[in-house]
Amino acid sequence: ETGVTQTPRHLVMGMTNKKSLKCEQHLGHNAMYWYKQSAKKPLELMFVYNFKEQTENNSVPSRFSPECPNSSHLFLHLHTLQPEDSALYLCASSPLKGQNNNEQFFGPGTRLTVL
Amino acid sequence: AQSVTQLGSHVSVSEGALVLLRCNYSSSVPPYLFWYVQYPNKGLQLLLKYTSAATLVKGINGFEAEFKKSETSFHLTKPSAHMSDAAEYFCAVRAGGKLIFGQGTELSVKP
Repeated sequence: ETGVTQTPRHLVMGMTNKKSLKCEQHLGHNAMYWYKQSAKKPLELMFVYNFKEQTENNSVPSRFSPECPNSSHLFLHLHTLQPEDSALYLCASSPLKGQNNNEQFFGPGTRLTVL
Repeated sequence: AQSVTQLGSHVSVSEGALVLLRCNYSSSVPPYLFWYVQYPNKGLQLLLKYTSAATLVKGINGFEAEFKKSETSFHLTKPSAHMSDAAEYFCAVRAGGKLIFGQGTELSVKP
């Protein structure tokens, strides 16, 4: 285990549903990330949070809404998604300072299917 | 801008054979480079990283990688493949506090 947990592990939702993905890290890190992993595509960085502040949004559609209430928790709120949003959503965390500040620790991901 | 290219989206080897997964990078500054592994239905796990110390980096599960500045490469190797090595492998370079990933190489191991 990497110290990063994600729930749920699997999610099936309709295009009109609203759901949320949750990520929690127990590593004392100050940076958290959301990635999208689609089949046959490189990992796409979606959002970056440093000390609870969003520092990067890679032109992600507004139907994805992140929330970072504290340095240990990260959410991704989903609404009116499209079938092409079906993918594995990975959360990661990293320290901002110190020897391992370059390394990101990943959760197991949430497999999302949009019908 | 920093980037990585992984040559070969799929590599197949026999059990006990050498594993070689290729990664070339582009970076305007001394790079920090990583190899991650992803087993089916799992997240990414760090195999090893290069952070400007020794050019030959040893990682977990018998993997190692050599940083070659002249070739802008950071290829991943393992002398003898095991069935449990079957997974997808990602090379990444650190860029401005983020990780830029390659497209991944799927490794298959035949008995």
